[in-house]
Amino acid sequence: EVQLVESGGGLVQPGGSLRLSCAASGFTFTNYAMSWVRQAPGKGLEWVSSISGGRQSTYYADSVQGRFTISRDNSKNTLYLQMNSLRADDTAVYYCAKETGGDHYCDTFDIWGQGTMVIVSS
Amino acid sequence: DIQMTQSPSTLSASVGDRVTITCRASQSISSWLAWYQQKPGKAPKLLIYKASSLQSGVPSRFGGSGSGTEFTLTISSLQPDDFATYYCQQYNGYLNTFGQGTKLEIK
Repeated sequence: EVQLVESGGGLVQPGGSLRLSCAASGFTFTNYAMSWVRQAPGKGLEWVSSISGGRQSTYYADSVQGRFTISRDNSKNTLYLQMNSLRADDTAVYYCAKETGGDHYCDTFDIWGQGTMVIVSS
Repeated sequence: DIQMTQSPSTLSASVGDRVTITCRASQSISSWLAWYQQKPGKAPKLLIYKASSLQSGVPSRFGGSGSGTEFTLTISSLQPDDFATYYCQQYNGYLNTFGQGTKLEIK
C-alpha cells in the first residue's frame, strides 16, 4: 500500500524553527518528485515546495523562499521540510504529497499524507 | 503567477442532482488542470488530472472538461458521499496554484 506519514509538527514561537518529516512506503521513492502543501485553518490549499526525484532540484513558493528548505533522503525514503524564521501566517496543516512524475514538471499530486499541524504563536 | 478562480464558492444541491463547478485560469495552462475533493479533517483526494482524465478508483459520475483557461468539474448524479469541498489546481510548468475552493452543501 502506498503511504505517506508526516511528523514533526507542533507549537513554535515566532522566529523559531521546525523540521517536518514525511516517511514514504509502498512505491519506489527515488523515482518520484515530492511536495509539501499547506492549509491554514479554515482556508484553502497552498503549494509550498517541491523536490525532484533523482537530481533533487528544488522549487519554492514566494511566501517561503529563503526561509524553508526542502530535502530528501532517498536511502531512507523520507522527505523533509526545514522551516526557519517562522511567522504566525505559517500556521497550517502541512501535507506531504507524492507527484505523478519524477522531475516536478507538469506533475500533479496523486497521494497525500494525513498532515501535521504547525502552530506559530507566542 | 497564474491565478485560479473557482465558481461558485458555495453550492447547495440535493442527492441525485447534476452539478458543475467552474475554474478559470488567468492565462492558458493547456490541459494541466487537476481537481481534488477534500472532506473535513482529511487530506485532499485526486479526482481528475490533465483536465479530463479520471484518477484510478474514482467513480465515473465525476467528469472533467476544458482546456486553455476555462475548466469544469461535473458530478452527474450527486451521492451522499460527494458533499465536500472541491479544489482545482493548475500545474503548468514548475509552479502550482490552487483555486480557492467550492464547498458543496446538502440542500
